[in-house]
Amino acid sequence: GEDVEQSLFLSVREGDSSVINCTYTDSSSTYLYWYKQEPGAGLQLLTYIFSNMDMKQDQRLTVLLNKKDKHLSLRIADTQTGDSAIYFCAESIQGGKLIFGQGTELSVKP
Amino acid sequence: DVKVTQSSRYLVKRTGEKVFLECVQDMDHENMFWYRQDPGLGLRLIYFSYDVKMKEKGDIPEGYSVSREKKERFSLILESASTNQTSMYLCASSSPSGAPSYEQYFGPGTRLTVT
Repeated sequence: GEDVEQSLFLSVREGDSSVINCTYTDSSSTYLYWYKQEPGAGLQLLTYIFSNMDMKQDQRLTVLLNKKDKHLSLRIADTQTGDSAIYFCAESIQGGKLIFGQGTELSVKP
Repeated sequence: DVKVTQSSRYLVKRTGEKVFLECVQDMDHENMFWYRQDPGLGLRLIYFSYDVKMKEKGDIPEGYSVSREKKERFSLILESASTNQTSMYLCASSSPSGAPSYEQYFGPGTRLTVT
């Protein structure tokens, strides 16, 4: 079945770049998403990429998609303490459902 | 501003109680979802609904049921709460006509503790 895998933790220093990685299994996904969850809150869409794209840049965020390896990454430039959160990768599958990874908890140290 | 609201942020119930979690969206979305979130397991889909009175099982439906009598409201029911249902419950909604399609909008979550 469909599966999305992420590492559980990442720790960086303020000002560094953060790279969060994700692998997925369904090659027919139309969109791949990155959601952010701040403490005590629901998930909020951070960015997304259409499956026929290789890269998408949005201010400090860069999404890279390697379709051959089914690998997705999110790079956050100049990481700030306010970026501390859980980041979820998700792929769209048939019927409008999303399959989520386990979430990567990003800790930004001053 | 789009909004998904959930009836409670925190809930404490006793084992064996019947529990109702309510979710309301104001975006006229066709699709609604209930997930549970546990550390290290991510979000797991319990039930979803494509339309009023329609429902389909997700990956972990055991011990849960749902009701969708109106388009904007999707309820999750724990028929007889058990301690292993202690979790964070998240509701979401989406539409095929969104941009991107099927972007899911989430409520703030209900942290349920069953004692």
